[in-house]
Amino acid sequence: EAQVTQNPRYLITVTGKKLTVTCSQNMNHEYMSWYRQDPGLGLRQIYYSMNVEVTDKGDVPEGYKVSRKEKRNFPLILESPSPNQTSLYFCASSLGYRRAKNIQYFGAGTRLSVL
Amino acid sequence: AQSVTQLDSQVPVFEEAPVELRCNYSSSVSVYLFWYVQYPNQGLQLLLKYLSGSTLVKGINGFEAEFNKSQTSFHLRKPSVHISDTAEYFCAVRVTQGGSEKLVFGKGTKLTVNP
Repeated sequence: EAQVTQNPRYLITVTGKKLTVTCSQNMNHEYMSWYRQDPGLGLRQIYYSMNVEVTDKGDVPEGYKVSRKEKRNFPLILESPSPNQTSLYFCASSLGYRRAKNIQYFGAGTRLSVL
Repeated sequence: AQSVTQLDSQVPVFEEAPVELRCNYSSSVSVYLFWYVQYPNQGLQLLLKYLSGSTLVKGINGFEAEFNKSQTSFHLRKPSVHISDTAEYFCAVRVTQGGSEKLVFGKGTKLTVNP
């Protein structure tokens, strides 16, 4: 089954404690992206990756890092989480950059609380 | 910059009534439009998409949307809703700028279907 898998689904942590949210897709997609969802703001892009070893900032990258060492995985790293990073996070993947029929598929989400 | 406006943050309706969720976007040369649905405590699921061709797009669960270029709108409709349609609905436009690609989302519309 084609899917985007995020782990963990729920995470409570404390300010400053490094954490990683993993994302994996089994569709051989080139393009992957992270979004955060906040009430009243919709979803905003954090980082994206057009292929292995190619990543770039989205609209709200501050406080986050990403890496793309393998095509299927795109982890989101919070080196020193702060309470304003409490949010619902989604990973997404799609076939490739600038493909006309590009559709983004989303993971189930990771709900993060930073105390 | 591209933007998406969902005109109603909340829409309450009775079961079996028709519903329209409104979405307007800022214009661009190429427009790719999407509606996603988020059921409570779940991830985002693609409801329907407009990439090209017919302006009336049919999606899953009996939903449809009409792309109107002159009014820069992409309203979502269903002739008769069910309790199970209670969810948050997001309109999105795919934006390609230079070397980046992302979905720009509206802030969402919470549809509540009452018995």
